[in-house]
Amino acid sequence: EVQLVESGGVVLQPGGSLRLSCAASGFTFDDYVMHWVRQAPGKGLEWVSLISWDGGSTYYADSVKGRFTISRDNSKNSLYLQMNSLRAEDTALYYCAKGDGGNGYFDYWGQGTLVTVST
Amino acid sequence: EVVMTQSPATLSVSPGERATLSCRASQSVSSNLAWYQQKPGQAPRLLIYGASTRATGIPARFGGSGSGTEFTLTISSLQSEDFAVYYCQQYNNWPPFTFGPGTKVDIK
Repeated sequence: EVQLVESGGVVLQPGGSLRLSCAASGFTFDDYVMHWVRQAPGKGLEWVSLISWDGGSTYYADSVKGRFTISRDNSKNSLYLQMNSLRAEDTALYYCAKGDGGNGYFDYWGQGTLVTVST
Repeated sequence: EVVMTQSPATLSVSPGERATLSCRASQSVSSNLAWYQQKPGQAPRLLIYGASTRATGIPARFGGSGSGTEFTLTISSLQSEDFAVYYCQQYNNWPPFTFGPGTKVDIK
């Protein structure tokens, strides 16, 4: 059974930094693209970032480019999101999502971890 | 960026009735379109990919159709567990991957 478990969400002030983690199990982690997708309270879904199976390619939404960094450790079956220069508009539930076999949809999702950026 | 729109924003349906949800892309996305269901307090769940292929374990009452810029999700006979928000997502032109704003299906 595929499982994705996010952690690291906290309440912090604007300008702060945070690293989210996602522990994956139930599938061969290093065979798949992984994503972060976020959802602001009461709002829709927004794709944040993608990392290739080997970490060699990464992509970002314009809203986070230059501030967030996605990475992975295949030896630990783990995905990360380093978030710097956080803004109030980054407040959201952050989901880790497994990519499908190469097309671009998200076939499994974690339960999310909440990041709140507030004074 | 491909902009996705969905209509209606809210759909009120009685249990057992048919629900038809629409999704439109600002430019052709071929058949690279997925649908997700999200219930309150839960993560999204993949329903449909490739515009019309049901994901593993998804009941046959969920059907997807369309290509290019116009897509439809049909729930043939609504069950109580189907009341949720439904999102479409394109994966033809990325980055970014883009979602529609969602359609909430509630009980009439």
